[in-house]
Amino acid sequence: LAKTTQPISMDSYEGQEVNITCSHNNIATNDYITWYQQFPSQGPRFIIQGYKTKVTNEVASLFIPADRKSSTLSLPRVSLSDTAVYYCLATLRTGGFKTIFGAGTRLFVKA
Amino acid sequence: EPEVTQTPSHQVTQMGQEVILRCVPISNHLYFYWYRQILGQKVEFLVSFYNNEISEKSEIFDDQFSVERPDGSNFTLKIRSTKLEDSAMYFCASRTSGSKSDEQYFGPGTRLTVT
Repeated sequence: LAKTTQPISMDSYEGQEVNITCSHNNIATNDYITWYQQFPSQGPRFIIQGYKTKVTNEVASLFIPADRKSSTLSLPRVSLSDTAVYYCLATLRTGGFKTIFGAGTRLFVKA
Repeated sequence: EPEVTQTPSHQVTQMGQEVILRCVPISNHLYFYWYRQILGQKVEFLVSFYNNEISEKSEIFDDQFSVERPDGSNFTLKIRSTKLEDSAMYFCASRTSGSKSDEQYFGPGTRLTVT
């Protein structure tokens, strides 16, 4: 599974759109990009997964360019409750037997 | 909404003691995982379990660790002789085989404190 690199932390204000970029230069053909969110003292929670182009759900959008060497998680109009750690992972589409979390991006949303 | 449950929420044990952490995955899920997270650090994969056997394990998952699905509903992690460095949050996760994505459902975790 490809290694992913993300910024360590980001700050934002309520109501703003937040874009978190993840680089994965060595992504394999079978790898998908999956994002999880983790609040303090809780387990991670799945947000979104994509292979290329754009995926959108009720929580976020995921943009993956054609070369798939990077991806961007977009959170529209963040609120204080979006303060969390966001993890970008390379995974097999339907999951595999080993999931590697990186250090994640600590997003802090201010009022 | 179905959820993964874990017990106990907090376990305090003395070094050298055995501990068993318990998880009840979502009922129709077939893939099970254990992770740990040392305070302030990233989530680390320990082991995955499918079809009643270990599918994959990390270098952390040494002979001191074992997993079991004793009765078709519980999924347990045993640490035979705990060390101070085993102090961490332990998360159980499960996933359905019919999923169209790698959506693992995580439990609330068990905080293990080894003194």
